[in-house]
Amino acid sequence: NAGVTQTPKFQVLKTGQSMTLQCAQDMNHEYMSWYRQDPGMGLRLIHYSVGAGITDQGEVPNGYNVSRSTTEDFPLRLLSAAPSQTSVYFCASSYASPSTDTQYFGPGTRLTVL
Amino acid sequence: DAKTTQPPSMDCAEGRAANLPCNHSTISGNEYVYWYRQIHSQGPQYIIHGLKNNETNEMASLIITEDRKSSTLILPHATLRDTAVYYCIVEKAAGNKLTFGGGTRVLVKP
Repeated sequence: NAGVTQTPKFQVLKTGQSMTLQCAQDMNHEYMSWYRQDPGMGLRLIHYSVGAGITDQGEVPNGYNVSRSTTEDFPLRLLSAAPSQTSVYFCASSYASPSTDTQYFGPGTRLTVL
Repeated sequence: DAKTTQPPSMDCAEGRAANLPCNHSTISGNEYVYWYRQIHSQGPQYIIHGLKNNETNEMASLIITEDRKSSTLILPHATLRDTAVYYCIVEKAAGNKLTFGGGTRVLVKP
C-alpha cells in the first residue's frame, strides 16, 4: 500500500490564483481530513469527509472547497489564494472515526502564496 | 470537547525513559485520550490511545489516572529519533475530527 499520498510537495502561487491540492489513499478508508499547519503551530482542521459524497467544515474552512466523489480521493481547492494561506497542508485518512481509529497522515504540501 | 494542557518543551537523555505529562481536567466519560507525534516537517504519526485503562504497545505506554483528569505518555528507552513534537488529544467517541493543540517539543540528547 502507498498509504496517503499528496501532490504536489511544494507549490508557489500568486495572490488570487486558484489551485487544487491532491490527496489519495489506497487503504479503503471512509474518513478523510485536510489540516493546515502554520509555522510553530499545531494542526487545524479545514474540512473533513466521512464517506464518498459527504463533506463537512472543520475549524478553518473559509477560502477552501472540497469534494469527495470517490472513496480514494479528497482534493482541496483554493479558490483565490491569499498570503494568509501560506502553510503546510496535511491530508489524513482513517477507516473509522478519528476518535476511535488511527489516522494516517500524508507527507504534506508546502504552499507559499506571494 | 475537553482541552488539554502540555508543557511546551522538555529534554530527555538518550536511553532513559521519557515521561510526557498531559492535563485534561475537563474530560468527559466518553472521551478518549490520543497521543500523536510529529517529527520535523513530516505528517503526524499515531502513537497510542486509551479510554480508562493503561495501554502499552511497541512504541509507548499510556498511563491514565483513575479520575482521568491527566495522563502520561512513557517512551521507555528514548532514542535520538524520538525527537519530535508530541500531541495529547482528547476527543469524544465517534467524533469526526481530532483537535491538535500546541504539543510538547521533546528533544532527546545524547
